[in-house]
Amino acid sequence: EAGVVQSPRYKIIEKKQPVAFWCNPISGHNTLYWYRQNLGQGPELLIRYENEEAVDDSQLPKDRFSAERLKGVDSTLKIQPAELGDSAVYLCASSSSGTGGFYEQYFGPGTRLTVT
Amino acid sequence: RKEVEQDPGPFNVPEGATVAFNCTYSNSASQSFFWYRQDCRKEPKLLMSVYSSGNEDGRFTAQLNRASQYISLLIRDSKLSDSATYLCVVNKMGYSTLTFGKGTMLLVSP
Repeated sequence: EAGVVQSPRYKIIEKKQPVAFWCNPISGHNTLYWYRQNLGQGPELLIRYENEEAVDDSQLPKDRFSAERLKGVDSTLKIQPAELGDSAVYLCASSSSGTGGFYEQYFGPGTRLTVT
Repeated sequence: RKEVEQDPGPFNVPEGATVAFNCTYSNSASQSFFWYRQDCRKEPKLLMSVYSSGNEDGRFTAQLNRASQYISLLIRDSKLSDSATYLCVVNKMGYSTLTFGKGTMLLVSP
C-alpha cells in the first residue's frame, strides 16, 4: 500500500515569493493533517481536515498561509508571501478517522523549505 | 510551561546499554499517550502507545503515571539501529490533534 505522498521534497525560494506544497494521503484516510517542524523541535499542527472540511486551523497563520482539500483527498498548503522564519519541514499526515478516538497518523516524507 | 517536555539530549550510549527517556505533560485532560520515533531527515513513525498499566514491546517498555503527568520509555539492550530521535506525544480524548515534545536524540555507538 502506498504511503502518504508529498511534493516537492525540497524547495528553495527567496523571501516574499509564494510557495505551495502538495499532499496525497493514504487511500481511504479521511483525516488529513499539515504539520510544520522546525529544526530541533517536534512537529506542530497547522491544520486538520475531516474530508474536505477544515476542523482545526487554530494554529494556521492565516495572514499568509492557506490550505485546501477540495475533493476530500489531495491537499495543498500555500504560503504567500514567504518569510525567512517559514524555513522548516512541512509534514503531511493522514489517518483513517478523526474525532472520537485515536487512529494512527501516518506521515509523509515532508517538504523541506528554505527561504533565503 | 510547555504542553509536553522531554529530556534534553542527546543521549550517547554504547551498544547493549539500557536507556530511559522521560516526558512530562501539562494538560491533565490528556488521555492518549504515544512514543514516536524519527530517524534523521525522515518522518516520525509511531513506536508504541502508552497505556496506564504500562506496556512492553520487545526491548521497549513504556510507562505512564497520570498522577504525576509523567511518561517514560525504556530501551534495553540498545542496538545501533535504535539511534534516532524519540518524540513524546499526547492528545486529548475526542481530539485528533497530537502535541509533540521536542524529542530526545539517542546515539548508540559500537
